[in-house]
Amino acid sequence: QKEVEQDPGPLSVPEGAIVSLNCTYSNSAFQYFMWYRQYSRKGPELLMYTYSSGNKEDGRFTAQVDKSSKYISLFIRDSQPSDSATYLCAIRDKIIFGKGTRLHILP
Amino acid sequence: EAQVTQNPRYLITVTGKKLTVTCSQNMNHEYMSWYRQDPGLGLRQIYYSMNVEVTDKGDVPEGYKVSRKEKRNFPLILESPSPNQTSLYFCASSPGAGVGEKLFFGSGTQLSVL
Repeated sequence: QKEVEQDPGPLSVPEGAIVSLNCTYSNSAFQYFMWYRQYSRKGPELLMYTYSSGNKEDGRFTAQVDKSSKYISLFIRDSQPSDSATYLCAIRDKIIFGKGTRLHILP
Repeated sequence: EAQVTQNPRYLITVTGKKLTVTCSQNMNHEYMSWYRQDPGLGLRQIYYSMNVEVTDKGDVPEGYKVSRKEKRNFPLILESPSPNQTSLYFCASSPGAGVGEKLFFGSGTQLSVL
């Protein structure tokens, strides 16, 4: 089983919708979980990170970790066309990236 | 402005011709790393460096070399490039290698090996 699994998409949603992006991971010892956003032809940039279980909110973005099921999520409320990008989950114990989900917000 | 700078942004070369992709950061970061990004495979770590003169292999080091003679620079060297090294390359740095450290990425180098 791969250490981090992420559906590559693409995922297309209408503007204003709530977006849910997800990853699963295999090692229950992982503690730090991150979401990076990558615009086309740019390097990834850190969007959010969480430690252990629970939720973290930043504006329209919420990161959620469920350690019991080894599942991490990123929710985007009131999605905007500017949110169209590839979103990569990452585990920072060694740092392992998911393959990224391409998201398209349709105006 | 705090940043990670890679050069060149685009590079087309031929098999076997040695090349170097430069990476420089102006944030006094100790940790630096190189990744390649390929469709369907995501970001994979090539090499990383915890500090000056300290480098180690990542997940896909074959065919690459690195050096860290100064804190700010971490060049990636392809001694004899091959077509399977055609990829998008990213350099990244962080203050340290601790688990909570934020990685800063460069803008990428698109390499094509013919």
